[in-house]
Amino acid sequence: AQSVTQPDIHITVSEGASLELRCNYSYGATPYLFWYVQSPGQGLQLLLKYFSGDTLVQGIKGFEAEFKRSQSSFNLRKPSVHWSDAAEYFCAVGAFGNAGKSTFGDGTTLTVKP
Amino acid sequence: EAGVVQSPRYKIIEKKQPVAFWCNPISGHNTLYWYLQNLGQGPELLIRYENEEAVDDSQLPKDRFSAERLKGVDSTLKIQPAELGDSAVYLCASSPRTDRAAEGREQFFGPGTRLTVL
Repeated sequence: AQSVTQPDIHITVSEGASLELRCNYSYGATPYLFWYVQSPGQGLQLLLKYFSGDTLVQGIKGFEAEFKRSQSSFNLRKPSVHWSDAAEYFCAVGAFGNAGKSTFGDGTTLTVKP
Repeated sequence: EAGVVQSPRYKIIEKKQPVAFWCNPISGHNTLYWYLQNLGQGPELLIRYENEEAVDDSQLPKDRFSAERLKGVDSTLKIQPAELGDSAVYLCASSPRTDRAAEGREQFFGPGTRLTVL
């Protein structure tokens, strides 16, 4: 079964600083990969997704992520963080043929300092 | 376009009482998911519907949980009786039909129902 690890439970960055959130997955083949963001009291919103092709994918709100097969990673990045980016971020993996099931990591909470 | 609607947003009940959650997916979305989200954790799938058919309910605790999506549109998740450990956020999500396999589809989430069992 696939699994997802987000090693950082909580990250604090200053507004305007760069951001990288880590995601590692365990799966035998190339999975479908997603990053979602959840603001307090709201549902999850898709930031970006990777299925195949270019390993650097662009998403909404200025986010990007890079798929590295050799490291089984799909890290999320943003060059300059805004205060409104404070939220919880979830990495998810959908394994081909696994009955439509997506496995989510436990999330990373982002705090943005003024 | 309206998003996924869930009600109630909050529910407080005594243990051993029944509770029900309602979800109305985005219009035209044939796939509907119910997730459980415990504090500090990611969502865990309880059940997935393709139209009115439950195609994956392997993680649904069937002794106390039940779900239905009778006409392939809105859905209800029920717990009877509720236990203290059921306190969590229950998320509903939906996906449109695409050529892509189900595991590759973007999911659109509702705001969730926060359940507190006392």
